Amino acid sequence: DAKTTQPPSMDCAEGRAANLPCNHSTISGNEYVYWYRQIHSQGPQYIIHGLKNNETNEMASLIITEDRKSSTLILPHATLRDTAVYYCIVSYGRPDKLIFGTGTRLQVFP
Amino acid sequence: DTGVSQDPRHKITKRGQNVTFRCDPISEHNRLYWYRQTLGQGPEFLTYFQNEAQLEKSRLLSDRFSAERPKGSFSTLEIQRTEQGDSAMYLCASQGVLSYNEQFFGPGTRLTVL
Repeated sequence: DAKTTQPPSMDCAEGRAANLPCNHSTISGNEYVYWYRQIHSQGPQYIIHGLKNNETNEMASLIITEDRKSSTLILPHATLRDTAVYYCIVSYGRPDKLIFGTGTRLQVFP
Repeated sequence: DTGVSQDPRHKITKRGQNVTFRCDPISEHNRLYWYRQTLGQGPEFLTYFQNEAQLEKSRLLSDRFSAERPKGSFSTLEIQRTEQGDSAMYLCASQGVLSYNEQFFGPGTRLTVL
């Protein structure tokens, strides 16, 4: 079973920041938080991952709470091409199998 | 394009027929994964290889399913005696030593069993 909880859907206006929450209250000390997204009819795409510090790359920022029980993925300036299903996954470092939940369907509108 | 290719992209078959899918991972990626995705659900893990060794199989992988990676490069997934419940998107992903935190997914093979 997936160890994360995400809202099923969210909307965001183009150009605004999209903040996607994830709850992972049973995360263990050596488990990472990974985010992937899946654009319609494509395979999932890695976005970012983190352990306990906030992380940023060219795609997004990941904010992990101090108790590590939740996190937020931030797309700073959402575009229409960011419309996708976003999956939050917890896994040990160098994960083998990924356990996907049902994710959050983000709809970016003009 | 992630560099992972899958063939065919679409397959329509009749119940009871055998089908085989192929996945070509990114060159020199030592790990290769197979997932299955049904409509409205996230991908579900089926099996994975490290080089040519199959290290784990999900209980979803019934006896009708078999996967191989004979030379540690491409992989095949065969489904024998297909059933309508096998209709799904079959995704392949590869993972390398240098990119060990990231799995690179192919575009998938969509199987429809009539």
